[in-house]
Amino acid sequence: NAGVTQTPKFQVLKTGQSMTLQCAQDMNHNSMYWYRQDPGMGLRLIYYSASEGTTDKGEVPNGYNVSRLNKREFSLRLESAAPSQTSVYFCASSVLAHEQFFGPGTRLTVL
Amino acid sequence: LAKTTQPISMDSYEGQEVNITCSHNNIATNDYITWYQQFPSQGPRFIIQGYKTKVTNEVASLFIPADRKSSTLSLPRVSLSDTAVYYCLVGDIMGNNDMRFGAGTRLTVKP
Repeated sequence: NAGVTQTPKFQVLKTGQSMTLQCAQDMNHNSMYWYRQDPGMGLRLIYYSASEGTTDKGEVPNGYNVSRLNKREFSLRLESAAPSQTSVYFCASSVLAHEQFFGPGTRLTVL
Repeated sequence: LAKTTQPISMDSYEGQEVNITCSHNNIATNDYITWYQQFPSQGPRFIIQGYKTKVTNEVASLFIPADRKSSTLSLPRVSLSDTAVYYCLVGDIMGNNDMRFGAGTRLTVKP
């Protein structure tokens, strides 16, 4: 089992560009999450999906959109990237909310 | 949402037992206590979860007093590879939006 995979691993964008971060899990988990982690700080929840077909806002949803494509895949889209969105993005999945499995992260820089 | 307070950093030496305490004074009846470990450039990893008294697994022990207003993560005989950030989270395990990581405790294990 690969667990939770994320693509790409690194990305550099210019202000105003758009991109989609991809996440997939092979553990048959119902719930999936997107977090961002700024240097020296903890993770902050952007969006989550409790089950296929549902998505909900987390702590910091502004500037992002998500799509739960199917049970395995949960994507995060930045429509118009801003320097404030420079961060490391982690995807996670779980059966129970507090036992989440995390991917390796995507390091995004917006110039 | 129960707020947690942890020490920002701790130092230890190889072979010692390390205890990291987390305060959560306004913990709710349905809330569980969960600890995660994060190494540099990796996503967090679930360590242990508990509701009351003591929980032990192959990695750590979690001590929760009767009033549940605090909890202590105990790492026996730490090694250099235990150097990481440790996060305490409190929330209803059925609540997908309850994951607030905070800044965590940066543990440094010295030789």
